[in-house]
Amino acid sequence: QSVLTQPPSASGTPGQRVTISCSGSSSNIGSNFVYWYQQVPGTAPKLPIYRNNQRPSGVPDRFSGSKSGTSASLAISGLRSEDEADYYCAAWDDSLSGWVFGGGTKLTVL
Amino acid sequence: QVQLQQWGAGLLKPSETLALTCGVYGGSFRGYWWSWIRQSPGKGLEWIGEINHSGNTNYNPSLKSRVTISIGPSKNQFSLKLSSVTAADTAVYYCAKRGGGEVDVWGKGTTVTVSS
Repeated sequence: QSVLTQPPSASGTPGQRVTISCSGSSSNIGSNFVYWYQQVPGTAPKLPIYRNNQRPSGVPDRFSGSKSGTSASLAISGLRSEDEADYYCAAWDDSLSGWVFGGGTKLTVL
Repeated sequence: QVQLQQWGAGLLKPSETLALTCGVYGGSFRGYWWSWIRQSPGKGLEWIGEINHSGNTNYNPSLKSRVTISIGPSKNQFSLKLSSVTAADTAVYYCAKRGGGEVDVWGKGTTVTVSS
């Protein structure tokens, strides 16, 4: 059981907007930044969103993040086939004094 | 741009100690946290622990009794040791660089299989 809760799957057609949720608690998302990682199976993860809603250079503005209370969301607009991947949220947990991940959401582009 | 290269034994027997090393190339070792993260087959990411250039460490409470992360054996390297491994420790192990909070550089991953 992951400390952060994500839906196991999400899907959309090209051009659509999809949202992936991440639910936590006051000791993690509620009091710390949220980070999102994108992983194509068989490869190392990459970082599309950091500190709730910041994009590293080179990440298209189709990717956006938000946080409210103890939940966070990753939104991908103008969905493209190359967005098909597993997405993980992460945050520092003050109670555990460590980093916790969500269980991951498999995004399928139909 | 920092690059990470990792190496270590990929096949272990139960009760043995997993040992991996990660080399940091093309950037400073100071000012960052150097992490180990693993992914069991078909499963999600699990944070193992991290170390900074001063040797300060943070460990996943569920693994803490078996994990040691250290600097070395050579300059700009850091290592992971996980003792008393079982089949549940079979996973791809990644070394990674953490900046402000985000992991922004990952190693390619090492597949470790525990089998008798």
